[in-house]
Amino acid sequence: AQSVTQLDSHVSVSEGTPVLLRCNYSSSYSPSLFWYVQHPNKGLQLLLKYTSAATLVKGINGFEAEFKKSETSFHLTKPSAHMSDAAEYFCVVSPLLDTGNQFYFGTGTSLTVIP
Amino acid sequence: EAGVAQSPRYKIIEKRQSVAFWCNPISGHATLYWYQQILGQGPKLLIQFQNNGVVDDSQLPKDRFSAERLKGVDSTLKIQPAKLEDSAVYLCASSLGVRGHQETQYFGPGTRLLVL
Repeated sequence: AQSVTQLDSHVSVSEGTPVLLRCNYSSSYSPSLFWYVQHPNKGLQLLLKYTSAATLVKGINGFEAEFKKSETSFHLTKPSAHMSDAAEYFCVVSPLLDTGNQFYFGTGTSLTVIP
Repeated sequence: EAGVAQSPRYKIIEKRQSVAFWCNPISGHATLYWYQQILGQGPKLLIQFQNNGVVDDSQLPKDRFSAERLKGVDSTLKIQPAKLEDSAVYLCASSLGVRGHQETQYFGPGTRLLVL
């Protein structure tokens, strides 16, 4: 079975401080993992993805995530938060099955950045 | 490269009325997905097409929802009749659809539906 757990529904940080959004996954197969960001009234934008290459993945806007198989985690980090980072973030797991790709979404983490 | 296009962006209807949404995927993308995103929740897959065939529609409420992708390119999602609980954002996504390869989904801006 596949599932994604985003451990925090809301995260609040001050501008200029580090961001940590946590994601744990469960997958019967070697999955790919994604982080998407959704700004208010916008569609989902791909931040970064892990597809079995380097375990530390760099994405857009200074975000990065590390795939830790032993911990079944794929936490999203950024060294210094910017006001424009305030948005909803979704972690997605995608096992590659014989029938093709399927995507399983977490429930999302709302990031607030305090000036 | 043009992204996934959706229309309309917003729609307000009364319950029991019908509504249709349109999606044009990225050129060359064989796989198309429709998601429903209720406020405060993550997207839920409604239906997945590979070209003009349905791969997964297990979570599509078939008594009121229908979707088609007749020519394997653009797609329409219809709700008839609409209920209050259908108020949500309907997201369309596409991916290359190469069998045996890990895919990346690309999303459109969504259609925000309000049922009164």
